[in-house]
Amino acid sequence: QVQLVESGGDLVKPGGSLRLSCAASGFTFSDYYMSWIRQAPGKGLEWVSYISSRGSTKYYADSVKGRFTISRDNAKNSLYLQMNSLRAEDTAVYYCARHYGSGPNWFDPWGQGTLVTVSS
Amino acid sequence: QSVLTQPPSVSGAPGQRVTISCTGSRSSIGAGYDVHWYQQLPGTAPKLLIYGNSNRPSGVPDRFSGSKSGTSASLAISGLQAEDEADYYCQSYDSSLSASVFGGGTKLTVL
Repeated sequence: QVQLVESGGDLVKPGGSLRLSCAASGFTFSDYYMSWIRQAPGKGLEWVSYISSRGSTKYYADSVKGRFTISRDNAKNSLYLQMNSLRAEDTAVYYCARHYGSGPNWFDPWGQGTLVTVSS
Repeated sequence: QSVLTQPPSVSGAPGQRVTISCTGSRSSIGAGYDVHWYQQLPGTAPKLLIYGNSNRPSGVPDRFSGSKSGTSASLAISGLQAEDEADYYCQSYDSSLSASVFGGGTKLTVL
């Protein structure tokens, strides 16, 4: 079955860095656009970044532009999010999600999420 | 503050029908971008409920329906059941932000 499993979440100090991973299985990973979406504790969903199927196109939310970098390794069926200069407001559960198609479409499925806590 | 506006909470008794609104702008829903809905049960990841304004993925009961008109969309849940108690989020795209956007979420309580 289609499955996404995130890892890499941790407690990190403000200004620190962290790399999240998302392992995909059950589908042809290289055919799909992918996104990272986050949810701060007790808050709503916020789209963070997306990457095209071959990795040539990347978009970021203004809140993370210049600090976060999305990438993928299609040979390893893996999606990544490199997070630098972390701030307290980056504290959230980070989900990876598969896009339908190449346009601004829906996300399905989602992984179970990985928690990033930014605190001194 | 979310780009798409949803009521923070709605409630209904078992068997009743409730609706959740999602209001956007001329650069999002009003520009013709589709609206999608997700259900998030407590402690779990969001799950796709409605895509392309009114389509249900396989396995989603027909008690759930979606519609879109102008700059707004709605999710309707009929025949409310206890297991429907969850947070519901709408999602679309905003061309002025070049970003996928979500509503702030609506907590459904089944009385």
